Amino acid sequence: NAGVTQTPKFQVLKTGQSMTLQCAQDMNHNSMYWYRQDPGMGLRLIYYSASEGTTDKGEVPNGYNVSRLNKREFSLRLESAAPSQTSVYFCASINRGGGDTQYFGPGTRLTVL
Amino acid sequence: KQEVTQIPAALSVPEGENLVLNCSFTDSAIYNLQWFRQDPGKGLTSLLLIQSSQREQTSGRLNASLDKSSGRSTLYIAASQPGDSATYLCAVKNSGGSNYKLTFGKGTLLTVNP
Repeated sequence: NAGVTQTPKFQVLKTGQSMTLQCAQDMNHNSMYWYRQDPGMGLRLIYYSASEGTTDKGEVPNGYNVSRLNKREFSLRLESAAPSQTSVYFCASINRGGGDTQYFGPGTRLTVL
Repeated sequence: KQEVTQIPAALSVPEGENLVLNCSFTDSAIYNLQWFRQDPGKGLTSLLLIQSSQREQTSGRLNASLDKSSGRSTLYIAASQPGDSATYLCAVKNSGGSNYKLTFGKGTLLTVNP
């Protein structure tokens, strides 16, 4: 049972490049989330997926797209990266039938030059 | 809009001391409140989750309390150890509406000195 996994762990992009951050969970959770964490700003929700087949915007969705590929996988895409998207990105999932404890992945550290 | 505040932003204590971390929230209509620990360069690990109907939860040396009406929660750490050094975050989930989202505080950076 690996929990929530994220790839890659680190990435450096040039402005305008695109990339997809991958997230997978093996806990059979329905809901999955993407956050970004910036110094002094705390964790902010980018997008979430309450269940397979649905996605919704969070607090800071501009510049991102998501795909809930199946129940296990939830990807985050940056179509044209900007320096303002330099951040640490966390994927999370919730065990909604087990008290709503949220489980986090180890994070992806993204730098956009 | 729910806002979560954590005070202090940083705390340094000697080993063995008992300590309290504070979390306050502006909208008392919450579904639950969760305390997390984050080690440097790592993801968040859930420590305790308190449902809105509960007053406290305990796990080992950790005790979290919730006073919904006053919009406050505290995390009590007994007999602190250097291994407790980390950032502690609280997060609330609102009740009603789109209750899938958590609102996080910015965290308290705890340093326990040997």
